[in-house]
Amino acid sequence: DAKTTQPNSMESNEEEPVHLPCNHSTISGTDYIHWYRQLPSQGPEYVIHGLTSNVNNRMASLAIAEDRKSSTLILHRATLRDAAVYYCILRDVAKGSGNTGKLIFGQGTTLQVKP
Amino acid sequence: NAGVMQNPRHLVRRRGQEARLRCSPMKGHSHVYWYRQLPEEGLKFMVYLQKENIIDESGMPKERFSAEFPKEGPSILRIQQVVRGDSAAYFCASSRLQGRRHFGPGTRLTVT
Repeated sequence: DAKTTQPNSMESNEEEPVHLPCNHSTISGTDYIHWYRQLPSQGPEYVIHGLTSNVNNRMASLAIAEDRKSSTLILHRATLRDAAVYYCILRDVAKGSGNTGKLIFGQGTTLQVKP
Repeated sequence: NAGVMQNPRHLVRRRGQEARLRCSPMKGHSHVYWYRQLPEEGLKFMVYLQKENIIDESGMPKERFSAEFPKEGPSILRIQQVVRGDSAAYFCASSRLQGRRHFGPGTRLTVT
C-alpha cells in the first residue's frame, strides 16, 4: 500500500473549522483514501472515504487534490468531542494488488481542541 | 443493530498463562480483523479472517499467537504463555465484503 504523511499534531479552537492534511504522493489509480479517528481509550471509528471527487457526510468533508497526491479532512465546526487521533489510510482495491483488505494505520495526527 | 462486541474489556494474566480474547462481529459481517496497540504506539494489523478461514496473518507473531473465526460463535484471539510485552489493547473490527470497518471497544490485556 502507498504511504501517507500527516503532521504529528494540530490544535484548533472550539467551534472553528479544522483542516487536517494528508500527503500521499505515491498513490495509485485504484487507491481509495480513508479517514478513521480514534478517541481516547476507544476503538477507531470510520470518518469518511473517497476516490477522486470531494465527499461530504454528517461528520466531515474530504477534499481531494486534482492530482490525488494529497487530501484534506475538514471538520466544519470542531467540538471538544472531536479531540482524537486522525488517521489517513490508502487502500488499493484492485484485483491482483496483493492487498487482502487490511488497513495499515500510520501515526496519525493528534488533534487538540481548545475551549 | 449492536456494534462490534469484545470481551472481556479488561484482562489480567500472570506471565505464562493463556489469554483468550473474544470478538463478536456486527450482524451480517463475515470479515474480522484483529489489531494490537501497544502503550503510546499506533495500531498494528495482526490478522484478517473470514468465516472459518485465515485470509492474512502477516502481522501475527510467529509463536504463541493464534486466531480463529468459527462458523458459529465469536472470533477468538488466543495468546499462549503470555509475557509482559503482550500487555496492550487488542481491537477487533468487522465488515461486510471488505467494506467500512467497524471497530470494537477493545480488550486491555495486562500481564503481571
